Amino acid sequence: AQSVTQPDIHITVSEGASLELRCNYSYGATPYLFWYVQSPGQGLQLLLKYFSGDTLVQGIKGFEAEFKRSQSSFNLRKPSVHWSDAAEYFCAVAPSNDYKLSFGAGTTVTVRA
Amino acid sequence: KAGVTQTPRYLIKTRGQQVTLSCSPISGHRSVSWYQQTPGQGLQFLFEYFSETQRNKGNFPGRFSGRQFSNSRSEMNVSTLELGDSALYLCASSLVGGTSTDTQYFGPGTRLTVL
Repeated sequence: AQSVTQPDIHITVSEGASLELRCNYSYGATPYLFWYVQSPGQGLQLLLKYFSGDTLVQGIKGFEAEFKRSQSSFNLRKPSVHWSDAAEYFCAVAPSNDYKLSFGAGTTVTVRA
Repeated sequence: KAGVTQTPRYLIKTRGQQVTLSCSPISGHRSVSWYQQTPGQGLQFLFEYFSETQRNKGNFPGRFSGRQFSNSRSEMNVSTLELGDSALYLCASSLVGGTSTDTQYFGPGTRLTVL
């Protein structure tokens, strides 16, 4: 069965600084990978997804993620964070032939002025 | 186009009661999935419905059930509520589901509190 690990429970970053959120997955084949963001009191919004092809994926709100097969990682990055990026971020994985998303525990991002 | 809507947004029940949550998918979407989010277990897949049939199921007891109507709206029911059922229940819709290439769009969730 697939699984996802987000090693960082909480990250604090200054506004304007860069952000990187780590995600490691465990799966026998190449999985489909996703990053979602959840603002307080809201549902999940898809930031980006990786199915195949170019390993650097561009998403919404200025986010990008890089798939590294050798490291089983799919880290999320943003060059310059805004106060509105404060939220909880979830990495998720799904098998190519299935629909069920398996989520990591999430990383809470706090942005300080 | 309107997003996924869930009603009610907040619900308080007592142990032993049952509860029904509702989800209206994005117009044109025929697949609806349900997830449970708790601080301890995180986000866990409950089940997926397509064309009024349950197509996928997670590892939850039979107290958790659902159904889908011909207009793709879905309901989730939890019977004999337990304290541990307190959670945010999220609904997600997609065009046809079935494979993970079909993006799931999430609603704001229903916050269930069991006293």
